[in-house]
Amino acid sequence: DAGVIQSPRHEVTEMGQEVTLRCKPISGHNSLFWYRQTMMRGLELLIYFNNNVPIDDSGMPEDRFSAKMPNASFSTLKIQPSEPRDSAVYFCASSEGGAGSYEQYFGPGTRLTVT
Amino acid sequence: RKEVEQDPGPFNVPEGATVAFNCTYSNSASQSFFWYRQDCRKEPKLLMSVYSSGNEDGRFTAQLNRASQYISLLIRDSKLSDSATYLCAVKRTPGSARQLTFGSGTQLTVLP
Repeated sequence: DAGVIQSPRHEVTEMGQEVTLRCKPISGHNSLFWYRQTMMRGLELLIYFNNNVPIDDSGMPEDRFSAKMPNASFSTLKIQPSEPRDSAVYFCASSEGGAGSYEQYFGPGTRLTVT
Repeated sequence: RKEVEQDPGPFNVPEGATVAFNCTYSNSASQSFFWYRQDCRKEPKLLMSVYSSGNEDGRFTAQLNRASQYISLLIRDSKLSDSATYLCAVKRTPGSARQLTFGSGTQLTVLP
């Protein structure tokens, strides 16, 4: 079975550029999460969708970050404009949703470097 | 105080040793607890869920202590391949909210 798919796996961009990260959750999972991981701050939840609807975006650092989930099989996280402090690994995760298990399954991550 | 706290380590143990990690959580209403394993430059992968009665999976045993608000992970007969960072995760909010809060991880190195 395909797990969570993320693209690109690596992204190097210059400060001020727009960055778009993509995620395809596990088929049948109704909940999707975007995380950011750095050495300093660990794994932080940015935003959580349930049935394609954003439920909790309190972790989104600022207005430069936005996320969408236009359908059950696709989500994007956009940073515009990007800054060097956005350099991190961004993970997407999904879980069953509803009355299902709360276990989350992570994609391989996108390693973002902003110069 | 952080919601979920772990000793960052590193724990350096010889092969065959038994090692235990604890993870404390601050919200007594927390429910659903998990241990994840994260290898260097990889994504976190679910290792095991933690049940109220405790559970075992081969060399790994997870336990929950609600009174003291911590979960533990015990690894017996440790292998070189167990070297990784171990993250605990807690579903802290009641009801249908599905967010997990992760600890910062405990780094384990098993030495030959």
